[in-house]
Amino acid sequence: KAGVTQTPRYLIKTRGQQVTLSCSPISGHRSVSWYQQTPGQGLQFLFEYFSETQRNKGNFPGRFSGRQFSNSRSEMNVSTLELGDSALYLCASSYWTEYEQYFGPGTRLTVT
Amino acid sequence: AQSVAQPEDQVNVAEGNPLTVKCTYSVSGNPYLFWYVQYPNRGLQFLLKYITGDNLVKGSYGFEAEFNKSQTSFHLKKPSALVSDSALYFCAVRDPRDQGGKLIFGQGTELSVKP
Repeated sequence: KAGVTQTPRYLIKTRGQQVTLSCSPISGHRSVSWYQQTPGQGLQFLFEYFSETQRNKGNFPGRFSGRQFSNSRSEMNVSTLELGDSALYLCASSYWTEYEQYFGPGTRLTVT
Repeated sequence: AQSVAQPEDQVNVAEGNPLTVKCTYSVSGNPYLFWYVQYPNRGLQFLLKYITGDNLVKGSYGFEAEFNKSQTSFHLKKPSALVSDSALYFCAVRDPRDQGGKLIFGQGTELSVKP
């Protein structure tokens, strides 16, 4: 099976812009989670979707949003980008919530 | 509050020696516990998990971990380290009472295995 794919792999944006990141889960996986990884804060949970419904959300401002489509693919959007949003954004999928999550390679976002 | 602690930022081991990467957690009830490894410029790779059952779980690449409920620990171990094991290791916990698949991660431990 193909692994979790994320596009784009690298992105450079300017403060105030918005960005959309995409994630395709492993075939058959219905749960998709998003994480932000930074040197200072480590790995932090953003949100999780299951069957197009957001079931859990981390402690991030409303500028961070996401959605999941009927084919389980997911997107996350960050509006009004700030310098502090520079990070590696990781998507993970799992078959069911009790199962382990499999991570994609991440999207490296740089905000200038 | 739920939390995971990895008390060592870095662990240095000689090749062929046993290694241990420590993890303690603070989650009430019966948490799900995971270990992941991250190589430079890559995502996280799943190593092993504890959900229930035998306290000693075996995972990928010869790694194993021991769940100790009384000490709220889930230390990662390997009998004989390889240079290729050098990477960043993360312990994670999930509260099964959470509806969604939220993982709480430790800050990571850099493992360095020298020849």
